[in-house]
Amino acid sequence: QVQLQESGPGLVKPSQTLSLTCTVSGGSISSGSYYWSWIRQPAGQGLEWIGRIYTSGSTNYNPSLKSRVTISVDTSKNQFSLKLISVSAADTAVYYCAREDDWRSRFEYWGQGTLVTVSS
Amino acid sequence: DIQMTQSPSSLSASVGDRVTITCRATQSISTYLNWYQQKPGKAPKLLVYAASTLQSGVPSRFSGSRSGTDFTLTISSLQPEDSATYYCQQSYGTPYTFGQGTKLEIK
Repeated sequence: QVQLQESGPGLVKPSQTLSLTCTVSGGSISSGSYYWSWIRQPAGQGLEWIGRIYTSGSTNYNPSLKSRVTISVDTSKNQFSLKLISVSAADTAVYYCAREDDWRSRFEYWGQGTLVTVSS
Repeated sequence: DIQMTQSPSSLSASVGDRVTITCRATQSISTYLNWYQQKPGKAPKLLVYAASTLQSGVPSRFSGSRSGTDFTLTISSLQPEDSATYYCQQSYGTPYTFGQGTKLEIK
């Protein structure tokens, strides 16, 4: 059974960089036809897709965040990562990592989520 | 971007009721529509994909349907454990977008 687990600082100062890692277990991140995504959810609000990376390393980002986001993969550690630069309070949210299959683009597996607060 | 509009934003129903949640896309997305259930403090859980295919392990009281750009999630006989917020998501193209959510409460 595939499992995903987010990790990273829970508090980031304004204008600094948010960095999160998602560790995948129960399967190789580089096998199969999957996209690995980041999704976030501000408290009491809906879900926002941030972007994804394919097993080949190609990426797609939400245009609303594209200038500030980088998603990368480390196949040796079975992890993928999110970097969001120049953060503000508007970036405070629960951040989820998720696996998307490239057949029907469904988010079948999710991490438990990690709260990141942007505050000085 | 493709916008997804869900209705209602909240509803309250009794155990055993039939409940319907609707999601409308701003353009044709074929059957690239998924439904998720989210309980407080938890990650979303996939219920239905490809508009009408039930995810493995999901109770058969859940079903999905499509009519053009309108999609429906139906719970045929509401159970207490169905109290949650439900989201639709279009997977037709990036950026993927979600509906604003429907909060379902049990009377």
